[in-house]
Amino acid sequence: EPEVTQTPSHQVTQMGQEVILRCVPISNHLYFYWYRQILGQKVEFLVSFYNNEISEKSEIFDDQFSVERPDGSNFTLKIRSTKLEDSAMYFCASSEVQGLNYGYTFGSGTRLTVV
Amino acid sequence: QKEVEQNSGPLSVPEGAIASLNCTYSDRGSQSFFWYRQYSGKSPELIMSIYSNGDKEDGRFTAQLNKASQYVSLLIRDSQPSDSATYLCAVNINSGTYKYIFGTGTRLKVLA
Repeated sequence: EPEVTQTPSHQVTQMGQEVILRCVPISNHLYFYWYRQILGQKVEFLVSFYNNEISEKSEIFDDQFSVERPDGSNFTLKIRSTKLEDSAMYFCASSEVQGLNYGYTFGSGTRLTVV
Repeated sequence: QKEVEQNSGPLSVPEGAIASLNCTYSDRGSQSFFWYRQYSGKSPELIMSIYSNGDKEDGRFTAQLNKASQYVSLLIRDSQPSDSATYLCAVNINSGTYKYIFGTGTRLKVLA
C-alpha cells in the first residue's frame, strides 16, 4: 500500500536553530498538509498546500514556519529559530483529491525535540 | 472557535464486546467526519469517513452521524485487544481546503 514517508523520524535540535522536516507524499496525490501533535494534546492543523502554494494556514503557522515543494516529490516544513514549545510530533499528510469522503493518509511523523 | 469534543477515557471493554465512541462538534457547517486510530507514538490511521446522516458499516466498524444533534459515533463490534488505541474524531469544517479539526481522542482499552 502506498505510504507517505517522513524523515527524519526523530530530530533533536538546540533552541534557536533551524530545522527542515521532510516528507515524500504518495506519488499521485495533489494536496499536502502539515499537522503537529504536542505530547498528550490534539492533532493541530498547520498548513495546507496545493498547486505549489499555500491554500490555508493556521494561527500557529507564523513567520517562523515555511513550506516548500522543491522538486515535485518532496514536501518540506522549515522551522526557523526553534523554540522549546515547538517540540512535538509533526505529521505530513496527503490526499489525491479533496472531497467529502476522502480522508488523508498520514506519514509516520517526525518527533522534534528542542533542547 | 470551532471545537470537536471527545471523552478522553479510558473506555474499557471486555474482548468480544461492542465499544462505542462518541464525538460532538460545534460547527453546523461541518460536512464530513472521519475516525482515525492512533497507537501510542504512531501516526493517525484512517478507519472510516462519513458525511450523510445515518449509519455506515465497514467490517467490524460502524460510523453513525446525526447532523441535527451534531454528533458522530463509532461502534466497534467484537472488540479485540489489538483495537486498544486512541480513537480520534476529525471534522472537515468546510474551510474550502479540507483541513480537519481533531478531537482530543478517546483511549480505548480492550481487556482480554
